[in-house]
Formats: sequence, structure tokens, C-alpha cells
Amino acid sequence: SQQGEEDPQALSIQEGENATMNCSYKTSINNLQWYRQNSGRGLVHLILIRSNEREKHSGRLRVTLDTSKKSSSLLITASRAADTASYFCATAPYAGGTSYGKLTFGQGTILTVHP
Amino acid sequence: EPEVTQTPSHQVTQMGQEVILRCVPISNHLYFYWYRQILGQKVEFLVSFYNNEISEKSEIFDDQFSVERPDGSNFTLKIRSTKLEDSAMYFCASSARWTGLNQPQHFGDGTRLSIL
Repeated sequence: SQQGEEDPQALSIQEGENATMNCSYKTSINNLQWYRQNSGRGLVHLILIRSNEREKHSGRLRVTLDTSKKSSSLLITASRAADTASYFCATAPYAGGTSYGKLTFGQGTILTVHP
Repeated sequence: EPEVTQTPSHQVTQMGQEVILRCVPISNHLYFYWYRQILGQKVEFLVSFYNNEISEKSEIFDDQFSVERPDGSNFTLKIRSTKLEDSAMYFCASSARWTGLNQPQHFGDGTRLSIL
């Protein structure tokens, strides 16, 4: 698989349920970020987790990072219909001490939350 | 909250024509990026730009592409001679510091480029 692969590709849940999305990547990273994209709109930054962090919270979002497995998960608790969107993980590669700006995105998970 | 703005929202161009996509990054940001997303595919990195120079570019960013910061507020992507396969959504982004230094990127809503 390529850098930044999410699964599942699509997730359909009822309002109030939790949604979990997973991301795997291949190379060493400085950080991993999650973005949301509503249909026809740009990418909205949700949360950034550094390579030396294991878990991070922001409101209803919880992100974990396991650098030994090169994987991350995004948990959205108590989902709402407004959470319906595509969710992407993106990795900022570690470049041997030189920091660059390139983000490598995964294919994304399409989340549908039914009212 | 400050936003990245992109114009136009939709651009239709004949194959072989030049096109310029415009972006106004967040005002105190110094690092700028272009990405593209072909329909149904991943968002792909094109180029990063800092201090009036390209910092990094992908294989996609060939001689047909160029970027410029013509003044203190605009950041443009030019495609010299468009091809059918250039049809995509193009996103501009900016950040206060390099993303590798744990800074998020802020994206515009994109320009949908359609090549006929």
C-alpha cells in the first residue's frame, strides 16, 4: 500500500455513535495530521500529532499514533450529522533533520452520519 | 478566523492554453503550497515555496508549471500549455512555519480546473 492509506474507505453510522478511522504509512515522519473535507470544499485541519506523541485529544476527536506500526487512528465520539465528510490522514516526512513542508495524503475515509 | 482564498472557483480552458490560478494565503504566513486532487483520487503535493523560491517540488511539477509571489499578498500557479490530464481541483495552502516543524497547513476551497 502507499503512504497514508486509510481504512475503511467508507463508514456509515447513526448519530450518537462513535466513528473510528485508521491510517497506515510507510516512511518515517515528523508528524501526522488529520483533515476533513466537505463535499466540494477545501481541506480543514483537525488535529496534528507529533512523532513523539502517542495520543492527542481535541474536543470530540481522539488521535493515536503508533510509530512502531506506522499507523494512526482517528476517533470521533458522539458523532453528528454535521460530521459527514471525507477524512484524510497526511504525513509530514522526516527528512533527516531538514524540515520540509510536503504533506502526503491518504485516499481518505468517507464518513456518513445518519440523523 | 483568517482564511486562504482562491480564485476563480472554477476555470474552464481549452487544451494548450495557459492558465493562472490565484491564491491569497493567510497574511502572516510565510510558507506556501500547491496541491491537486484529480476526481476520485488522493490529494497530491505539487510544490512548496518560501522566501521567493521553490523549496520542494514533486514529479508532477514539470516545466509546464511555475509559481510566483508577484506581490505581498498573492501566490499564483501557472500552467503554460494545459493538457487534458491537468483537469483537477487545485488547492493552495499556507502555514506559519514549515509543516515538518509541526505546523498545520491551512487550505483554500480550491479551483476546479476543467480542460476541454
